[in-house]
Amino acid sequence: DSGVTQTPKHLITATGQRVTLRCSPRSGDLSVYWYQQSLDQGLQFLIQYYNGEERAKGNILERFSAQQFPDLHSELNLSSLELGDSALYFCASSGGPNTGELFFGEGSRLTVL
Amino acid sequence: LAKTTQPISMDSYEGQEVNITCSHNNIATNDYITWYQQFPSQGPRFIIQGYKTKVTNEVASLFIPADRKSSTLSLPRVSLSDTAVYYCLLRSGSARQLTFGSGTQLTVLP
Repeated sequence: DSGVTQTPKHLITATGQRVTLRCSPRSGDLSVYWYQQSLDQGLQFLIQYYNGEERAKGNILERFSAQQFPDLHSELNLSSLELGDSALYFCASSGGPNTGELFFGEGSRLTVL
Repeated sequence: LAKTTQPISMDSYEGQEVNITCSHNNIATNDYITWYQQFPSQGPRFIIQGYKTKVTNEVASLFIPADRKSSTLSLPRVSLSDTAVYYCLLRSGSARQLTFGSGTQLTVLP
């Protein structure tokens, strides 16, 4: 158990819909990272937050947004969903602002039909 | 970000030592070499990290030559449960993300 909690574990929805994925980092970790893993793309870095502030942005679509709240949990919002958004979405946390060892959650599996 | 290259797949048998080599010809002075392990439908898990020479922990060893242009992850006496994808990454002290490559699919056979 990494200490990182992600909900929901599984989510099935239709194209055009909007979903929110939630992540609670390890106790004391200030950094939260979001990754997307699909069969044909591997692990893609989406975005990082540190203590509530956006710190780095990767290959995140404009239809996607994220935020980190004062209690340090984070949410990833995916809107106008397309079939290609079906993937495993991982959240990871670390203590400092500059990577360090990342602790990954078990992921949220999104299926868009 | 400096790129890493590793074999796509490797097979081994239970009880053998497995060595996975990663090439990183453009490694920067402040880059650390980091390895993660990922099982299907699970998040990656940190294995080991090093800067130069050799690092050993309870799970693996990491060998880094003096020029640091490559590194080798060594898994002693693998078991079936070591079947997973292994990622080699470069972590810069100033970097704000970890970039995962394609990884090496290790399959341990009975």
